[in-house]
Amino acid sequence: SYELTQPPSVSVSPGQTARITCSGDALAKQYGFWYQQKPGQAPVLVIYKDSERPSGIPERFSGSSSGTTVTLTISGVQAEDAADYYCQSTDSTDYYSVVFGGGTKLTVL
Amino acid sequence: QVQLVQSGAEVKKPGASVKVSCKASGYTFTNYDVTWVRQAPGQGLEWMGWISANNDNTDKAQKFQGRVTMTTDTSTNTAYMELTSLRSDDTAVYYCARMGSYYSDSSGFQYYFDYWGQGTLVTVSS
Repeated sequence: SYELTQPPSVSVSPGQTARITCSGDALAKQYGFWYQQKPGQAPVLVIYKDSERPSGIPERFSGSSSGTTVTLTISGVQAEDAADYYCQSTDSTDYYSVVFGGGTKLTVL
Repeated sequence: QVQLVQSGAEVKKPGASVKVSCKASGYTFTNYDVTWVRQAPGQGLEWMGWISANNDNTDKAQKFQGRVTMTTDTSTNTAYMELTSLRSDDTAVYYCARMGSYYSDSSGFQYYFDYWGQGTLVTVSS
């Protein structure tokens, strides 16, 4: 199985742009998905298929992919965006097992 | 609206088993698979496996092979996850989620989770 690597933490001031990266060899062929998890709550899907945004997710959330890295970008960060963010993909070399990144804690200063 | 409602918190002794339920509503239950993910205190998300609500096919993470059983009851739109031989490091919040998938010839299947239950805390302590 493979791993997805995220930075443990990212800090930004309100109104700035936050970028959270997720790296893994399989991301060159597999989609990346992003989840937001606030304390005491279940995760919420915020980006699917690298860059698509589910209905109800604010436009300030966007995603991109380049090579073996996917990136979640939050433009004009708001205090309510403070949360843990997890990337996720599927390992097609291991009978389609699901892999999560270790998570990134976004702090809004 | 899509909802997944899980059963309440459990406290178990080491060696015991626990069975968590996940009742789905707001969509056709048999059109989607259900996955189970757990999160130990202060830790990240860990995928456990999934079950097809249509034909009961399952796939489980290697770590849980032999210890986890996933089932569904289509008469009540409910999925179940049973974990046996509990240890202290099984203490975690257990989530069910509705699973979607994409398929391509070049990449095979790709899974994602678009709706989640509220989580069930399972505490294993003597």
